[in-house]
Amino acid sequence: DAGVIQSPRHEVTEMGQEVTLRCKPISGHNSLFWYRQTMMRGLELLIYFNNNVPIDDSGMPEDRFSAKMPNASFSTLKIQPSEPRDSAVYFCASSSGLGYTFGSGTRLTVV
Amino acid sequence: AQTVTQSQPEMSVQEAETVTLSCTYDTSESNYYLFWYKQPPSRQMILVIRQEAYKQQNATENRFSVNFQKAAKSFSLKISDSQLGDTAMYFCAFTTRSGGGADGLTFGKGTHLIIQP
Repeated sequence: DAGVIQSPRHEVTEMGQEVTLRCKPISGHNSLFWYRQTMMRGLELLIYFNNNVPIDDSGMPEDRFSAKMPNASFSTLKIQPSEPRDSAVYFCASSSGLGYTFGSGTRLTVV
Repeated sequence: AQTVTQSQPEMSVQEAETVTLSCTYDTSESNYYLFWYKQPPSRQMILVIRQEAYKQQNATENRFSVNFQKAAKSFSLKISDSQLGDTAMYFCAFTTRSGGGADGLTFGKGTHLIIQP
């Protein structure tokens, strides 16, 4: 089991550019979560999916953020246009029930 | 809305000592789950221990144990015989269950634990 796979591990982009973060959940897990971690706000739930359907996106900060899960093995989090305040570590996690497994995160820096 | 509070931003103990990290939560739900996660400098989120609210027995995993006080809404983590590798951020987290699958975790702000040699 390769765990939850996120790419890229690091991303540096210029303000105004589009950024796409990718996540491959553990096979068989039917829930997928996107979190953002910053020093000021800690770990925040952005959006989550059950069986590929978005359940709660109330944590998505602005319309510049969007997330998709086209199938059970892939999800994306897109920021367009990116801003310096979007700089953070973005985690993807998946779950089949009681356990949550996190990916290694993507450190995004917007300059 | 559920909230999770960790009142100790940082703690420091000597190697081999026992340390207790505090966590309180607020919810109106009766069925929920509590977790402690460890985040070392590598930033990987590692599950330390899990507790189901309907279970009265406190969860234990080797040197890690919890003191779950449901009425007080308290969920502290005890680390016995602390080791240098225990140095990390520790996050307390809470979730409920819906019919269609897992719900999201609500995290506390974390406690930075430093184990001194």
